[in-house]
Amino acid sequence: GAVVSQHPSRVICKSGTSVKIECRSLDFQATTMFWYRQFPKQSLMLMATSNEGSKATYEQGVEKDKFLINHASLTLSTLTVTSAHPEDSSFYICSATPLAGGPGSYNEQFFGPGTRLTVL
Amino acid sequence: DAKTTQPNSMESNEEEPVHLPCNHSTISGTDYIHWYRQLPSQGPEYVIHGLTSNVNNRMASLAIAEDRKSSTLILHRATLRDAAVYYCILSSGSRLTFGEGTQLTVNP
Repeated sequence: GAVVSQHPSRVICKSGTSVKIECRSLDFQATTMFWYRQFPKQSLMLMATSNEGSKATYEQGVEKDKFLINHASLTLSTLTVTSAHPEDSSFYICSATPLAGGPGSYNEQFFGPGTRLTVL
Repeated sequence: DAKTTQPNSMESNEEEPVHLPCNHSTISGTDYIHWYRQLPSQGPEYVIHGLTSNVNNRMASLAIAEDRKSSTLILHRATLRDAAVYYCILSSGSRLTFGEGTQLTVNP
């Protein structure tokens, strides 16, 4: 149990286009979903925290108009990279924290497999 | 969030125990100590977490110093599949701030 999926797993797009990445909790409802970005040989950087039905909270330095987050249900959050440029090429990873009484330990985050974005 | 310090890399031999250290001298009273690991090209995976007492689960053990300023993740018998980057993270809520972690290499 406690599986998080991401779609697509890999995407290549042209500069200037927008890309949407989906994050789904498959067998639990998530109170909170998180979006991270990871550049090669670097650690994960938290981009934003998202709660269902409310606006996402972005970390300092992350442009909310560039990285649009929609959290429409307790099992789905989407990240849209708008007008993508080569510097946005990265590994994007989402995670989800179950509702109270759900799987896992206190505040345990379940991570998706990641989406590798390449902008040409 | 309080900062953690981990060695950049460690090596171990297969089937031997591994002790991964983490220093967190500025830990606050409400901070939990979380350990996650990340295999190449995958999302991180939860390993274990604790507050004050030592913890055991099917994956590992977590030994927490009495003053809570350091902790050690113990893998009892390393396997090749344990080769990963191990992150020690302090958090008092659900938000996690990842540091650089320790790259564990397991030799056959």
